[in-house]
Amino acid sequence: EAGVAQSPRYKIIEKRQSVAFWCNPISGHATLYWYQQILGQGPKLLIQFQNNGVVDDSQLPKDRFSAERLKGVDSTLKIQPAKLEDSAVYLCASSLFETGGLISTDTQYFGPGTRLTVL
Amino acid sequence: AQSVTQPDIHITVSEGASLELRCNYSYGATPYLFWYVQSPGQGLQLLLKYFSGDTLVQGIKGFEAEFKRSQSSFNLRKPSVHWSDAAEYFCAVGLPHNTDKLIFGTGTRLQVFP
Repeated sequence: EAGVAQSPRYKIIEKRQSVAFWCNPISGHATLYWYQQILGQGPKLLIQFQNNGVVDDSQLPKDRFSAERLKGVDSTLKIQPAKLEDSAVYLCASSLFETGGLISTDTQYFGPGTRLTVL
Repeated sequence: AQSVTQPDIHITVSEGASLELRCNYSYGATPYLFWYVQSPGQGLQLLLKYFSGDTLVQGIKGFEAEFKRSQSSFNLRKPSVHWSDAAEYFCAVGLPHNTDKLIFGTGTRLQVFP
């Protein structure tokens, strides 16, 4: 079974530029997550999709970050304009089941991440 | 607010030695508990998870973890470390009756000497 795919693996941009990351989850997985992992910290959830819809985007800086999951499969995360503090690894994860008010015991599978450096 | 603490930023052990990585959480009830490992340039891989039942959980690669409610801890152990275990280890909590949101600790970097 293919894992979660992400591209690009590395990206270097200057502040105020725009950047986009792409994620293709494991086939059939309903839920997709984007995490931000700053050096020396654990991953922090930015946004969670269930199929096409957003479940949780409470920690997404919406003035500069946007994400979409059209057709409920792959997803893109965009930063516009980038700031120095956006330098981080952006991890995508997916899980099989949907959350629908029930306790979900599903496992999240992570992609290799995209390392973003903002100069 | 919910939080996860991994007190040890960096641990160094000799190959063959035993290992214990500490994890403490703060949450009003019993959360779901996870340990993930991250090798350089790789994504996170799930080692084990605890939802309920037996408080000693077996995982992959010879790891185990024990949930202690009284101490709000979920420490990861391995009786004999291999050089390939060198990586970053993250403890995480999932919140019941919520989305699948995971809250991660800051990680413990494990270095293994031959």
